Amino acid sequence: KQEVTQIPAALSVPEGENLVLNCSFTDSAIYNLQWFRQDPGKGLTSLLLIQSSQREQTSGRLNASLDKSSGRSTLYIAASQPGDSATYLCAAPREPGNTPLVFGKGTRLSVIA
Amino acid sequence: SAVISQKPSRDICQRGTSLTIQCQVDSQVTMMFWYRQQPGQSLTLIATANQGSEATYESGFVIDKFPISRPNLTFSTLTVSNMSPEDSSIYLCSVESGGYGYTFGSGTRLTVV
Repeated sequence: KQEVTQIPAALSVPEGENLVLNCSFTDSAIYNLQWFRQDPGKGLTSLLLIQSSQREQTSGRLNASLDKSSGRSTLYIAASQPGDSATYLCAAPREPGNTPLVFGKGTRLSVIA
Repeated sequence: SAVISQKPSRDICQRGTSLTIQCQVDSQVTMMFWYRQQPGQSLTLIATANQGSEATYESGFVIDKFPISRPNLTFSTLTVSNMSPEDSSIYLCSVESGGYGYTFGSGTRLTVV
């Protein structure tokens, strides 16, 4: 059964800094891994999806990597901005295919101007 | 990717009453997933809704408390019944969108007073 862990739980950085958020998973036969952003009281916005055959995905200032052998994924945010302040969640399907996602507890990011 | 319209976006309800949350998807999907996010917590799966069959509930969630309707391949409802303040949460629906990963509705922020 897939389990997902995220560290740190919270992170505060000054504007302009590059930062890395970490996500660990227990089942290396991972189907894919998805990073989401959640603003307070709101729904989830998908940021990046990495398939099991991929090593990384990039979108603008965001880069996500996937290392199945070590059971880790990282989300790299370059040149952080106050608008990046949100909770970031990583999630993986419970099993391959159309199954529910298993979520980490999230990292609450604050970017200070 | 699929687009989900979720209603209502928020509500304040009296204890003992019920609230029905609706999710409409712009394409046909086999399964829809319903999650709960309690304050300060990550997402927890309530149930998986298949069209034409009874929903499958996770441990700790029961049909009498969270009845689910799935009348066709684009629509589902979740009812939170006989509400108490402990039901105050964000409720989200989700579908798998093929190569785009999972898409979420905008969430329903429920406060029970």
